[in-house]
Amino acid sequence: QSMLTQPPSVSGTPGQRVSISCSGSTSNIGSNAVAWYQLLPGTAPKLLIHTNNQRPSGVPDRFSGSKSGTSASLAVSGLQSGEEADYYCAAWDDSLNGLVFGGGTKLTVL
Amino acid sequence: EVKLVQSGAEVKKPGESLQISCRASGYTFISYWIAWVRQTPGKGLEWVGFISPADSSPKYSPSFQGQVTLAADRSISTAYLQWSSLRASDTAMYYCARLHSNPWSEFGVVNYFDSWGQGTQVTVSS
Repeated sequence: QSMLTQPPSVSGTPGQRVSISCSGSTSNIGSNAVAWYQLLPGTAPKLLIHTNNQRPSGVPDRFSGSKSGTSASLAVSGLQSGEEADYYCAAWDDSLNGLVFGGGTKLTVL
Repeated sequence: EVKLVQSGAEVKKPGESLQISCRASGYTFISYWIAWVRQTPGKGLEWVGFISPADSSPKYSPSFQGQVTLAADRSISTAYLQWSSLRASDTAMYYCARLHSNPWSEFGVVNYFDSWGQGTQVTVSS
């Protein structure tokens, strides 16, 4: 069982805005920064968001991240079919003294 | 351009040893730790550990401590993930990634992987 909890799946239609939640605790999200990764089928993970809400260059501004207390969220606006993928949150955990990932959320574009 | 190129897929039998590699280019190898991440259909992504290419000091996830060994050769900008005795449960895709880390940020510990290798599939089966 992951220390960061994500919904197993979310779905939306093209053009819609969807949000993926990531719930943790005071020892991880509550104390440290959150990153988000996208895994398109058959490809290596890609960094989407780091330091809670920072987008690396090349990531569309339709992707945004936020954090409040012990929870974080990834939002995707203007959903496109090519964004059907698995999405993972991650953060450092002070109690574990290690990095933890969420269980992953499969985004389906209907 | 930062690139991490991993060695090819492996098929092994239980009890055999294995080393997979991750060759870095496009940046100063010793300036960033290299991480290893395991991906399985059932458990998603799991952090295996980090290694410092500067002095080869490793940090292991508690879940993988004693199960694998991390190594690095700065002379050829390559990191390694090693098993001395494989088990069927080691079957997975393994990724290396470059770690960007700031332990003293105003946001707490900032750790993220900004570049990834293409992955190495390890299959362990009798």
